[in-house]
Amino acid sequence: GAVVSQHPSWVICKSGTSVKIECRSLDFQATTMFWYRQFPKQSLMLMATSNEGSKATYEQGVEKDKFLINHASLTLSTLTVTSAHPEDSSFYICSARDGTGSSGGEVDTQYFGPGTRLTVL
Amino acid sequence: GQNIDQPTEMTATEGAIVQINCTYQTSGFNGLFWYQQHAGEAPTFLSYNVLDGLEEKGRFSSFLSRSKGYSYLLLKELQMKDSASYLCAVMDSNYQLIWGAGTKLIIKP
Repeated sequence: GAVVSQHPSWVICKSGTSVKIECRSLDFQATTMFWYRQFPKQSLMLMATSNEGSKATYEQGVEKDKFLINHASLTLSTLTVTSAHPEDSSFYICSARDGTGSSGGEVDTQYFGPGTRLTVL
Repeated sequence: GQNIDQPTEMTATEGAIVQINCTYQTSGFNGLFWYQQHAGEAPTFLSYNVLDGLEEKGRFSSFLSRSKGYSYLLLKELQMKDSASYLCAVMDSNYQLIWGAGTKLIIKP
């Protein structure tokens, strides 16, 4: 089945540093990848949508200069949290959309990564 | 605006059947998804409906009525491990998922 991985699973960093989170589709081509943020006991909040080879589209209220997204290939997207602060501590989840059915599943199904827990001290 | 409604919390008994409803109003429709999410984990995919009718997968079934903007997730033979949040999400005309807030399902022995 389709698998999406994220690395790292969890990270602790000092305030002011930058953290990069990778999202990979392991056995299918992801035409679109999405980055979500989840606060405790709340639903997922979409941060941005990225299509391979083009600039990401950010949701209203999400700072594009703070949350840098790169989608350089059909299997890899990265989210870099720049100059992280304690309020950026959260659970970051990526998902990958299989726009061609290469996963063997239904076209346009989104597959979620396991998430990355970021703690900024 | 776009809106997904589902109950905040439901309680059911082990071995019983529970139905979680979801109503939606979105700009365009490219399918409805149900996800299961255990606390502290990313959601896991359960089902996808794009045509009207019932889709059955083992103990889980999902129903869709596009004309009514309505779906439900049916869980049979409930087990304690089914205690989780169940998220309804609709893919809109831009292929983005519009998420419901989730239904917390509590299973009691």
